[in-house]
Amino acid sequence: SYEMTQPPSVSVSPGQTARITCSGDALPKQYAYWYQQKPGQAPILIIYKDTQRPSGIPERFSGSSSGTTATLTISGVQAEDEADYYCQSAENRGTYRVFGSGTKVTVL
Amino acid sequence: EVQLVQSGAEVKKPGESLKISCKASGYNFATHWIGWVRQMPGKGLEWMGILYPADSDTKYSPSFEGQVTISADKSITTAYLQWNSLKASDTAIYFCARQAAEGGTMESGMDVWGQGTTVTVSS
Repeated sequence: SYEMTQPPSVSVSPGQTARITCSGDALPKQYAYWYQQKPGQAPILIIYKDTQRPSGIPERFSGSSSGTTATLTISGVQAEDEADYYCQSAENRGTYRVFGSGTKVTVL
Repeated sequence: EVQLVQSGAEVKKPGESLKISCKASGYNFATHWIGWVRQMPGKGLEWMGILYPADSDTKYSPSFEGQVTISADKSITTAYLQWNSLKASDTAIYFCARQAAEGGTMESGMDVWGQGTTVTVSS
C-alpha cells in the first residue's frame, strides 16, 4: 500500500527555522496536510491543502509542496513547538488516506 | 462547541469482540466524513478508514480492510469502530476525527479529534 516518508527527527535551536519534509509519489496530485502531536494528546491540524493554516495556528507554521515532496516549515521555533509532526495525504486515486512516518522535533 | 467524545478504555482477551464509540456534538454529524486513526504504543499515526454518515459510504485503508468495521448511527450522532476477533497486535490508542469540509468531499484535514480510546488486548 501507499507510503509517505519523513525524517525520524529534526533538532533545532530556539529562534531558528525547522523544515520537515514528506515524500510521496502521489503528492504531485494530492494535497498534503500536517498535524502536530504532543505526548498524551490528540493530534492538531496545523496545515491543510499544502499551504493553508487553520484559524488559531501561529503564523510561524507554513507549508509548501513541490513535486513528490511536501515541506512543513516552522520559523522562529519556540520551546512549545517540540512535538511529533505527521504529514497526511491520499494515494493516487484518492480512495484512502495515509499518514507519513512522523518526525520528532527537538528544540535544543 | 464542536466535540467528539470517545468511549472509555477497554481491556480484552484475544479472540473477543469489541465495539468502541465516538459521540459527536455541536455540528451537522451527517455531512462531515468521520474517520478512525490507530496509534500503537510508541508509534506513529495510522489512518484506518472513514465513513460519511449521510449515506454510510465507507472507505478503508488496505491495511485495515477486513480487520475492522466502521459504522455510524445518525440518530444518536455516534460513530463506531468494531472488531470481531481481537489480537494482541490490536493493542493501541484509537482516535476518531472529523473531516473539516462539509458535504461529500474528503478533501480536507481532520480538524476535530476525540480524546482517544485505549484498547489493551492481553491473555
